[in-house]
Amino acid sequence: SQTIHQWPATLVQPVGSPLSLECTVEGTSNPNLYWYRQAAGRGLQLLFYSVGIGQISSEVPQNLSASRPQDRQFILSSKKLLLSDSGFYLCAWGGGAHYNEQFFGPGTRLTVL
Amino acid sequence: SQQGEEDPQALSIQEGENATMNCSYKTSINNLQWYRQNSGRGLVHLILIRSNEREKHSGRLRVTLDTSKKSSSLLITASRAADTASYFCATDAGGSNYKLTFGKGTLLTVNP
Repeated sequence: SQTIHQWPATLVQPVGSPLSLECTVEGTSNPNLYWYRQAAGRGLQLLFYSVGIGQISSEVPQNLSASRPQDRQFILSSKKLLLSDSGFYLCAWGGGAHYNEQFFGPGTRLTVL
Repeated sequence: SQQGEEDPQALSIQEGENATMNCSYKTSINNLQWYRQNSGRGLVHLILIRSNEREKHSGRLRVTLDTSKKSSSLLITASRAADTASYFCATDAGGSNYKLTFGKGTLLTVNP
């Protein structure tokens, strides 16, 4: 069966510090991978998606970047965090036999102070 | 931009009652999905309805889709306290990247 991991679960970072959030998927190959951000009490905003290694599409201009160094690894990064980067970050995978559905990780709660 | 808009934003009911949540969207879709999110957790896929379907059932869940009105509804029958969560609709406009556009969600509280 497929599983998706995200870490860390929570993170408190000062403004101007770097960020690296990692997401890995097990039990499937060549998945589509997605990073979302969810502000408190709001819906999900798609930040990045990837349909293959090294292929990244950005949905909104922002202070963040994404990379996919391996087939089942998706990384969200920032060189210098802003207060507005605070939120709940969710990684998801889809594709293959589950091409319509997306399966979400447990999320990372990021607080920038 | 947000494609789906759920209505109401919040719903509070008693255990055993039915809960109905609605979703409206703006552009043509390939399919519409409903997800559930417990507080502070990731989303869980509940049910998918394709654009050529009008109604679908899964256990206590019933989803309808009216493409002429660009709207969908999720009915949870005989609700339980454990159904307390946020519910989101998501639309898929097609394409090989299978991007979903989520609404802002309905927060359902089921009181014991």
